Amino acid sequence: SQELEQSPQSLIVQEGKNLTINCTSSKTLYGLYWYKQKYGEGLIFLMMLQKGGEEKSHEKITAKLDEKKQQSSLHITASQPSHAGIYLCGADISSSNTGKLIFGQGTTLQVKP
Amino acid sequence: GAGVSQSPRYKVAKRGQDVALRCDPISGHVSLFWYQQALGQGPEFLTYFQNEAQLDKSGLPSDRFFAERPEGSVSTLKIQRTQQEDSAVYLCASSLSGSAYEQYFGPGTRLTVT
Repeated sequence: SQELEQSPQSLIVQEGKNLTINCTSSKTLYGLYWYKQKYGEGLIFLMMLQKGGEEKSHEKITAKLDEKKQQSSLHITASQPSHAGIYLCGADISSSNTGKLIFGQGTTLQVKP
Repeated sequence: GAGVSQSPRYKVAKRGQDVALRCDPISGHVSLFWYQQALGQGPEFLTYFQNEAQLDKSGLPSDRFFAERPEGSVSTLKIQRTQQEDSAVYLCASSLSGSAYEQYFGPGTRLTVT
């Protein structure tokens, strides 16, 4: 969706390096979801953020939602080959909070051993 | 526990055939969503159920697409008279209720219309 922009579109990093993926909207994000997808498979839930300024971490992945709730970032520390895949941000931009999500186009991550 | 399951995983249909795609959400999940994902793109919303009620079908591309969830659990997405542009991965997701809760996706059904 053009309402949700992800950057970069693709990323190649050396194993052990840190990286950041951004997700930006012109509208308020009432729920922001990060997913990982491997080619030909479904979306694996990573994290959900709802409150401005919220930050969550799981293993080496940290996601943040800015105070204005219009931008989120996903940061991977000390990347590993297992982190490779397509990262998608999905957002609920409706104040009715139905859970109907719009998605960015995805960021393809390659990690070179 | 069991996640969201979808069947079939792959479906090849000849143009003009009808297809039915099944989704089994996580037990107890009130909200159920269908999305369509074209190659290289993010998923696009099709329709949404809360229990058996279809509350939003604004994303269905044409009247050839029909979804139901008669008993508030299993859902079926039906596509009549399939066209080549219907070729995509169809993803189902469920959550406890709305966007206050995590939304979990199934593995998808890859539909190819020849």
